[in-house]
Amino acid sequence: QQQVKQSPQSLIVQKGGISIINCAYENTAFDYFPWYQQFPGKGPALLIAIRPDVSEKKEGRFTISFNKSAKQFSLHIMDSQPGDSATYFCAASRGGGNKLTFGTGTQLKVEL
Amino acid sequence: EADIYQTPRYLVIGTGKKITLECSQTMGHDKMYWYQQDPGMELHLIHYSYGVNSTEKGDLSSESTVSRIRTEHFPLTLESARPSHTSQYLCASSELGQGINGYTFGSGTRLTVV
Repeated sequence: QQQVKQSPQSLIVQKGGISIINCAYENTAFDYFPWYQQFPGKGPALLIAIRPDVSEKKEGRFTISFNKSAKQFSLHIMDSQPGDSATYFCAASRGGGNKLTFGTGTQLKVEL
Repeated sequence: EADIYQTPRYLVIGTGKKITLECSQTMGHDKMYWYQQDPGMELHLIHYSYGVNSTEKGDLSSESTVSRIRTEHFPLTLESARPSHTSQYLCASSELGQGINGYTFGSGTRLTVV
């Protein structure tokens, strides 16, 4: 049972373009939605996170958009750079400090 | 520097051997987790612990076992390794309440059973 569905599986974007990764969740009790970035040979690292009381959160070039009624949230990477090439995971959890359910991951490649 | 450490980084071992993957964190986090990561990227929770002497099985059934005798240490053991156990194993920790800080992951152990 896939509680967090992520798309696309892979994405190629030109340098300077916008990368968009989407996630949808089923469990309405989820109240914490982080995004993780993973480079080859490394563990995932927290990139940005949002709670459902806001519809958008921005940190530098990275923005989370959250649609509670549609049970969807997305990551937007503005001015994408080759250094952003990595695998991105969305995730969700219920309650503070509880175990995360991850999406299936998106391999992003930013080309020159 | 606060961090989470996994050893070994790479392990190639024969079928039937007993192995222990080590995970230690210096942040004093109460919660620790083990994830198995498929070659196709997806992360599956196999074990978690919310404190000393507390361990639970995750969403993905695993033949491995874990222990939590000290806050900072959360080792994973396979009594008899099989080729089906070949995977990457990621350890993570988080503080109670999680807040906005989320998980801190180790760099993983890539296990190959031949």
